[in-house]
Amino acid sequence: QVQLQLSGPGLLKPSQTLSLTCAISGDSVSSNSAAWNWIRQSPSRGLEWLGRTYYRSKWSSGYAVSLKGRITVNADTSKNQFSLQLTSVTPQDTAIYYCARQWQGFIDYWGQGIPVTVSS
Amino acid sequence: QSVLTQPPSASGTPGQRVTISCSGSSSNIGGDHVYWYQQFPGTAPKLLIYKTNQRPSGVPDRFSGSKSGTSASLAISGLRSEDEADYYCAAWDDKLTGWVFGGGTELTVL
Repeated sequence: QVQLQLSGPGLLKPSQTLSLTCAISGDSVSSNSAAWNWIRQSPSRGLEWLGRTYYRSKWSSGYAVSLKGRITVNADTSKNQFSLQLTSVTPQDTAIYYCARQWQGFIDYWGQGIPVTVSS
Repeated sequence: QSVLTQPPSASGTPGQRVTISCSGSSSNIGGDHVYWYQQFPGTAPKLLIYKTNQRPSGVPDRFSGSKSGTSASLAISGLRSEDEADYYCAAWDDKLTGWVFGGGTELTVL
């Protein structure tokens, strides 16, 4: 059974950098069959895919066009986890953030979600 | 505004059959599989249907999925009170090179 455990701050001020970590159990971040995604949910924007990282002989990442330039998704193989960094946050980045596993082409497991508020 | 279009709400009485639609385009639903997720308040979405019409183990066969062209549907037969939840469709979008989601449908069991 795959489990994804999120951690990170729940409150940020505008212009700060959001950093979240997703610890994986029951699978490996280096799996050749998986990709590791970040998704957020807010009343105004619904479910929004942010980006992902995956290993296929080398590490690759992909990001939502709307966030390119602000987002980085990295893997830490020593801790079997992956992370999200989102720079220059604004109140529009307020949402529940989820990490999720993509396995054999589709998202199957989601972490529990962490609410993040951006407010001065 | 979500890339995939779903009705915001649906309802039915116990035992009834309810269908939730999801409309997309050739770059997402039209060219790939559709996925459905069920979400209860305060919890993460849970995979309900994968690869358009496949159920993960543990999902009752009351839930079924289908697709035609650039639209997809989730059908729930023998509606039960515990089916009251939000339902989301999703697909990979080749043009956006990312996952896209519907705005969600709130299902009420009357």
